[in-house]
This record gives sequence, structure tokens and C-alpha cells, in this order.
Amino acid sequence: QVQLVESGGGVVQPGGSLRLSCAVSGFTFSRSGMHWVRQAPGKGLEWVAFLRYDGSNVFYADSVKGRFTISRDISKNTLYLQMNSLRAEDTAVYYCATSLEKPGDWGQGTLVTVSS
Amino acid sequence: QSALTQPPSASGSPGQSVTISCTGTSSDVGGYNYVSWYQQHPGKAPKVMIYEVSKRPSGVPDRFSGSKSGNTASLTLSGLQAEDEADYYCSSYGGSNNYVFGTGTKVTVL
Repeated sequence: QVQLVESGGGVVQPGGSLRLSCAVSGFTFSRSGMHWVRQAPGKGLEWVAFLRYDGSNVFYADSVKGRFTISRDISKNTLYLQMNSLRAEDTAVYYCATSLEKPGDWGQGTLVTVSS
Repeated sequence: QSALTQPPSASGSPGQSVTISCTGTSSDVGGYNYVSWYQQHPGKAPKVMIYEVSKRPSGVPDRFSGSKSGNTASLTLSGLQAEDEADYYCSSYGGSNNYVFGTGTKVTVL
């Protein structure tokens, strides 16, 4: 069955960097678009980034544009989110997901805390 | 992209119906039939309950239904059950490969 497992979260200082990973299995990763979605503590869901199924294009929410980079390694069946210039407001649980338009699968999330 | 507007809370007794609204604009909810609804229990990942406005994934009870009129989408929970108590979020495609979520609604089963 489909599995998505996020990792890489932790505590980082403001201005720092972190790379999240999402290891996937159970579907054809190379032909699937992928999203990152985050949820600040006690707050709602926020779409962060999208990588098209063919890997040709990436898209970002205005709040992270220029600081975050979504990418994938097909050979490792892994999706990444490189996060630079982190701010306190980036503190959240980060989820990877396969689709937001069709019935998709989500990981369990990884917590990123930006604090000094 | 601004978050879609949902009421903060909704409630009903077991067996009753509850309807949650999700208001956007003609650039998102009103412009596309890509509205989804998610159920989230505390500490858990969201689970899709409705996609493409009114379609139910396999395994989702037919007590859950969705609709849309203009810039407002709605989720109706009929025959409320205790396990329906959760947070619910709508989401919509917003054009140009952007997506937007709703502000979230906490459903309480009295």
C-alpha cells in the first residue's frame, strides 16, 4: 500500500536551514505530482509547494518563495524540501502529500521548530 | 492567496445534520471544480472525505456529501456520529498551480 514517511524535522535557529525528506513507496513516484503542506501549532493547513509529476515545474506559496526548494530523487523514491532563511513563523508540522485534487495520501508529518 | 473562509465551529447532536461552508472567490472555489474536504483528528494527518466538490473516496460513508454554489462550497454531515467530531478543512485549486486551504471548522458532537 501507499506509504509516505517524513523525516528531518527538528529545532533550528532563525536564519538557519533544514532539509526535510519524504520517503515514498507503493506507487509510481516518477509519475506523481507531490505537495508539501504545513500546519502551525494550533492553526490551520497551509499549502507550501508543489512539484509536477514530470518534475519539470515547481510552484510555491508566496510565504516561502525564494527561501524553500522542493525537489525529488527518483532513484531514492524521496521527495525533499530544502528550507533556508527560516523564520519563527515557519514553525509547523510539515506533511508531504500525493494530491490535493484527487484522493491522495499523506504522511504523518514532521515537526519543525524555529527558535533561538 | 488568501485562505478560504470557514466558520470556526459547528455542532449537532448524534443523528442530526451539520453543514459547513467554505467561501472563496471566482479565482479559486468559484473558478474550478477542485474543491476537497479534509477531516483531521487531533495529532493525526488530514484525511480526504470529499474531492472534486462532491465525490467520495472509497471507504468514506455516504453520510458525507459536498456541493458548491458560486464561490461557496459546502460539506454536509448527515446522521452525526461521535467519531465525526474533528476539525474539517476545505481546499481549492487556485489557478497557476497554486492551492489554498480553508481556515478550518471544529465540529462538536453534543
